[in-house]
Amino acid sequence: DIQMTQSPSSVSASVGDRVTITCRATQGISSWLAWYQLKPGKAPKLLIYAASSLQGGVPSRFSGSGSGRDFTLTITSLQPEDFATYYCQQANSFPLTFGGGTKVEIK
Amino acid sequence: QVQVVQSGAEVKKPGASVKVSCKASGYTFTDYYIHWVRLAPGQGPQWMGWINPNSGATNYAQKFQGRVTMTRDTSISTAYMELNRLTSDDTAVYYCARGGHLGSYNWFHPWGQGTLVTVSS
Repeated sequence: DIQMTQSPSSVSASVGDRVTITCRATQGISSWLAWYQLKPGKAPKLLIYAASSLQGGVPSRFSGSGSGRDFTLTITSLQPEDFATYYCQQANSFPLTFGGGTKVEIK
Repeated sequence: QVQVVQSGAEVKKPGASVKVSCKASGYTFTDYYIHWVRLAPGQGPQWMGWINPNSGATNYAQKFQGRVTMTRDTSISTAYMELNRLTSDDTAVYYCARGGHLGSYNWFHPWGQGTLVTVSS
């Protein structure tokens, strides 16, 4: 199975800050990577697919980059509604696997 | 709009089974795979498997093989996930999510609202 390692596991940030989350796969997955935002009591939300493509309706302050084993999710100018937990997911091979999550908290 | 809506919360005793439904709307149900993912307390999401609503073919994660069954009823655009022999470790929020068109990709959008399954004696 492909393991996905996310870092950091949590980050404290203020509104307006830039936040960067990284995700590393145990083997190359080309660009078969997605990023999701999870909030308690709400349906998870797809933010980025194919490593760098912005899902429709997602604000442009979210961006993704990387290929192979190393990937990054960046949130420029953090907004109050962005405080949530973020997960990466490899879509290269079965079983599909997720990272351990990064909780973005208010500083 | 495209959406998937799940059935409500369940409380089950150890050893019992649970069946969660996922009703799709806003698109052609048979054109997109449905995946099931669970989120247990303190853990990252776990992919459980997919069903091809057109053919009924399934692909289960090895961890759940022999204990999970995914089915669908195309007449009502609804997918189901049944998990047997429940233990306390199965306490989690279970999500269905639409996957790729004809299985062409394996990310998920949209997701259902989640179904909390609590296993307790």
